[in-house]
Order: sequence, then structure tokens, then C-alpha cells
Amino acid sequence: EVQLLESGGNLVQPGGSLRLSCEASGFTFSSLAMSWVRQAPGKGLEWVSSFSGSSGSTYYADSVKGRFTISRDISKNTLYLQMNSLRADDTAVYYCAKGGNSGNYRDGFDIWGQGTMVTVSS
Amino acid sequence: QTVVTQEPSFSVSPGGTVTLTCGLSSGSVSTGHYPSWYQQTPGQAPRTLIYSTNTRSSGVPDRFSGSIVGNKAALSITGAQAEDESDYYCVLYMGSGIWVFGGGTKLTVL
Repeated sequence: EVQLLESGGNLVQPGGSLRLSCEASGFTFSSLAMSWVRQAPGKGLEWVSSFSGSSGSTYYADSVKGRFTISRDISKNTLYLQMNSLRADDTAVYYCAKGGNSGNYRDGFDIWGQGTMVTVSS
Repeated sequence: QTVVTQEPSFSVSPGGTVTLTCGLSSGSVSTGHYPSWYQQTPGQAPRTLIYSTNTRSSGVPDRFSGSIVGNKAALSITGAQAEDESDYYCVLYMGSGIWVFGGGTKLTVL
């Protein structure tokens, strides 16, 4: 069974840092795209960042570029999101999502984790 | 900046058919945007319904279908059920690894 388990969400002060983790199981982690999508309280979904499984390329939304870094540890089947210079508008539930089984990056998001809450406030 | 547009809300009668759309503030949506659709109920993670315009995700009932209608992507629900009352989001691939979500449509079944 495919499972994604996010962790690392917490309350952090503006300007602070946090690292989110997404532990994956039930599929070949190294060959598929993995992404982070967030949802601010009462708002819609916002794509944050993706890691292409095949090429190893990384991509970021303009709103987080230069502040967030996506990475993965294949030996641990874990995806990370390092978040620096956090702002109040980064407050959201952060979801980890797996790409489609074909390995085609453009197939979007297939399976989603349950999310982890990040609150940026003083 | 490109904005992906969705109807803020929609209602459908039980057993009825509804088509939700996903457009662009500038230009037309095509299969090259690889439109995907997601369903979300309050407090839950999103669930993938459709990807690459019209491919149903595993386990999704065939009353859900995706297409391009005119200059927009479309999600149709045929024979709506009470359990389909949810928020629906589309996402479009903009190239260079970038995805943009629409604002979502709140579907009421009544």
C-alpha cells in the first residue's frame, strides 16, 4: 500500500526555519516525482515545489523561491522541505504528494499524505 | 501572472449532471497543460480524480470524467451523489516544472 507520512510541522516565529519530512512507502521512491502542496487556513491549494524523479531537477513557486529547498534521501525513502525566512503567509497545512506511476512529471499529483501544519507567528 | 480560474460555487441535484470548468485568465487551456482534478472534503487531504486531461485515477468512479470544452478544461459528474459534495480543484502545468492551481469550486448537492 502506498503511504506518505509528513512530519515536522510546528509553530515558528517569523524569520525562523523549519524542515518538513515526508516518509514514503509502497512504491519505488527514486523513480517518481514528489511534490509539496500547501493550503492556508480556509484557502485553496497552492503548489510549492517538486522534485522530478527521473532527472532530479527541482522546481519552486515564485512565492517560495530562494527561501525553500526541496530534497530527498533515497536511502530513507524520504522527501524534505527546508523552509527558511518564514513569513506569516507561509502558515498552512503542507501536503506531500507523489507523482503518477508512469514517471511522467506532467501527470501531476497521484497520492497525497495527510499533511502537517506549519504556523508562523510571534 | 497567469491565473487559473474556476467557478467559486456550483450546485447540482442528486442524480443530475454538472460540469465544472478550469480556465486561464489569458489564453486557452489545452491538453498540453495536462489538467488534473482533485476532490477535497473539509479536514481531509485532497483525492486525485483525473490527471492528464481525462485519465481517471485508480478507484475513481466512472461518473467522473475529464475533457477539454472550448477553451477550458472540464470535470463532469454524471449522476451526482450526496457524497460528491466537496471542494474541487484543478491544476495546470505551465511548463518549466511549474504548476498552478485554480481557486477551487465548492459543489453543493441538493
